Amino acid sequence: AQTVTQSQPEMSVQEAETVTLSCTYDTSENNYYLFWYKQPPSRQMILVIRQEAYKQQNATENRFSVNFQKAAKSFSLKISDSQLGDTAMYFCAFMIPRVGGTSYGKLTFGQGTILTVHP
Amino acid sequence: DAGVIQSPRHEVTEMGQEVTLRCKPISGHDYLFWYRQTMMRGLELLIYFNNNVPIDDSGMPEDRFSAKMPNASFSTLKIQPSEPRDSAVYFCASSTGTGRSPLHFGNGTRLTVT
Repeated sequence: AQTVTQSQPEMSVQEAETVTLSCTYDTSENNYYLFWYKQPPSRQMILVIRQEAYKQQNATENRFSVNFQKAAKSFSLKISDSQLGDTAMYFCAFMIPRVGGTSYGKLTFGQGTILTVHP
Repeated sequence: DAGVIQSPRHEVTEMGQEVTLRCKPISGHDYLFWYRQTMMRGLELLIYFNNNVPIDDSGMPEDRFSAKMPNASFSTLKIQPSEPRDSAVYFCASSTGTGRSPLHFGNGTRLTVT
């Protein structure tokens, strides 16, 4: 079974500064995907960034980037130039792409990290 | 693309009543998921379907919960009878299951059982 652990229940950062959210996971699979989702107070789940395990290059999306360490099974999210609109719950998630069986195609989520950006 | 559509957005009911939550996935997505979110347990996968067939229902808490997917464009999650501990936000999500098209979530249904 796959597990995802987010060890920081809450984080805070000043506007315009940089913050890093931690995530570790456990799996015996070699091919998988990792995601960060954002859930603002509106409760909508929004995909922030995606990383494919077979790609060594870290994914980036504008102010969001990841530090993917496959051997260490670590997948942290860095938010640069934090904005007030970044205030949300952030979830790390893991997925084995479709092949067949009950373990494939579904997302396993961490417990989430509440990020507050202060003006 | 209208996204994943869930209804109702809010549901308040009394203990013992039947509750039905509805979901329309994105057209072309052949995976459909039901998640439950609570403060204590976070996001839990209840059940998911592939091509309208339930693949894994090990997350369904008990026999009071049932889910159906009669066709590719509609799914229901039913709780009968409902209990106060079922109060949560229930999300429906759909995907192609490849990872290149990750899960797309609906806006959720906030269920309150009094």
